[in-house]
Amino acid sequence: EVQLVESGGGLEQPGRSLRLSCAASGFTFGDFAVSWFRQSPGMGREWVGFIRSKRNGGTTEYAASVKGRFTISRDDSRSIAYLQMSSLKVEDTAVYYCTRHSMTKPSFDFWGQGTLVTVSS
Amino acid sequence: AIQMTQSPSSLSASVGDRVTITCRASQGIINNLNWYQYKPGKAPKLLIFAASRLQSGVPSRFSGSGSGTDFTLTITSLQPEDFATYYCLHDYIYPYTFGQGTKLEIK
Repeated sequence: EVQLVESGGGLEQPGRSLRLSCAASGFTFGDFAVSWFRQSPGMGREWVGFIRSKRNGGTTEYAASVKGRFTISRDDSRSIAYLQMSSLKVEDTAVYYCTRHSMTKPSFDFWGQGTLVTVSS
Repeated sequence: AIQMTQSPSSLSASVGDRVTITCRASQGIINNLNWYQYKPGKAPKLLIFAASRLQSGVPSRFSGSGSGTDFTLTITSLQPEDFATYYCLHDYIYPYTFGQGTKLEIK
């Protein structure tokens, strides 16, 4: 059974950093890209970024709203993807989801349940 | 970025009804459109991908249609477990964007 489990969310102050994890199981993690999305009452649902599989270069792409502040990485030996969030802003408050991201259809077939990040002083 | 306009934002219906939700893209996305069901505290569930293809394990009362800029999700014979929020999401090119969502409520 394919599973994705996010962790690492919590309360953090503006300007600080937080790292989220996405632990995957039930499939060959290294064969897939991983995307991060977020949902907030104010901003709705938003794609955050993704990391390609190592076979496809392992490179990353980001939404303009987080580029330069967020970094996605992966550890295929542990089947974990990370979202490193720096220079946090109040507007980064959201539930963050990771998804399995295939380069063939369907693109985003399995999602985690999300982890809540609250940025507040 | 491609904008997705989803309607209606909310919908009241009864068990057994047929409902339709639409998404319009601000530019052509061919058939690169997915539909998801969302229930609070649960992982989003993929229903339809590539505009009209039913994801494995999803009941056949769910169907999708459309191409280019206009897309539709139809649920025939609503069941109690179908009352949820539905989103469209395009995967044509990043940044991938969502519709605003449709909350389907029991009448």
